[in-house]
Amino acid sequence: QKEVEQDPGPLSVPEGAIVSLNCTYSNSAFQYFMWYRQYSRKGPELLMYTYSSGNKEDGRFTAQVDKSSKYISLFIRDSQPSDSATYLCAMSFKAAGNKLTFGGGTRVLVKP
Amino acid sequence: DAGVIQSPRHEVTEMGQEVTLRCKPISGHDYLFWYRQTMMRGLELLIYFNNNVPIDDSGMPEDRFSAKMPNASFSTLKIQPSEPRDSAVYFCASTGTAIANYGYTFGSGTRLTVV
Repeated sequence: QKEVEQDPGPLSVPEGAIVSLNCTYSNSAFQYFMWYRQYSRKGPELLMYTYSSGNKEDGRFTAQVDKSSKYISLFIRDSQPSDSATYLCAMSFKAAGNKLTFGGGTRVLVKP
Repeated sequence: DAGVIQSPRHEVTEMGQEVTLRCKPISGHDYLFWYRQTMMRGLELLIYFNNNVPIDDSGMPEDRFSAKMPNASFSTLKIQPSEPRDSAVYFCASTGTAIANYGYTFGSGTRLTVV
């Protein structure tokens, strides 16, 4: 079993819908959580990060962390065709030597 | 800042040939990571450096792979001899100690095809 699990998708939604993405993890030591967006034939780019549990909002994006359930989520409101990409979760902890552990990514398609 | 710069963007080579991938990290970043991405295995960490010193190379698949970081602004990943199963996108990423837990900056990747 992988340390970080993520449904590969694809997740197809109509424009304007809410996109809901999530990751589960097994290592309770993780304390830093990130979401990356990767467009086709590009490198991953950091979208959001959170520390420990709680919510964080940035424009149309909301990240949630539930450490008790070892579950993190990313919500995209009012989705646009430009949000079509692969979304990867990543996480780390201080003793990991700044090493990130990535999920496999979820491919999202927003149809106009 | 130009970001993390990788070269070449694309590489097609014949099995058995030596391949060298190059990376220039963001100035001031003291961590550099090499990743490989495939459909089957996702993003895999191959090796990472801190202050030009290799810290963890446990992800390097076999002795055919080697990586160096001769100075703070340059790193190479070499595959010799290359095999078709090495075909993948190779990413370099960098970060700084103070921000490492808040994410890396990735380059655009090198798409390697070994025929």
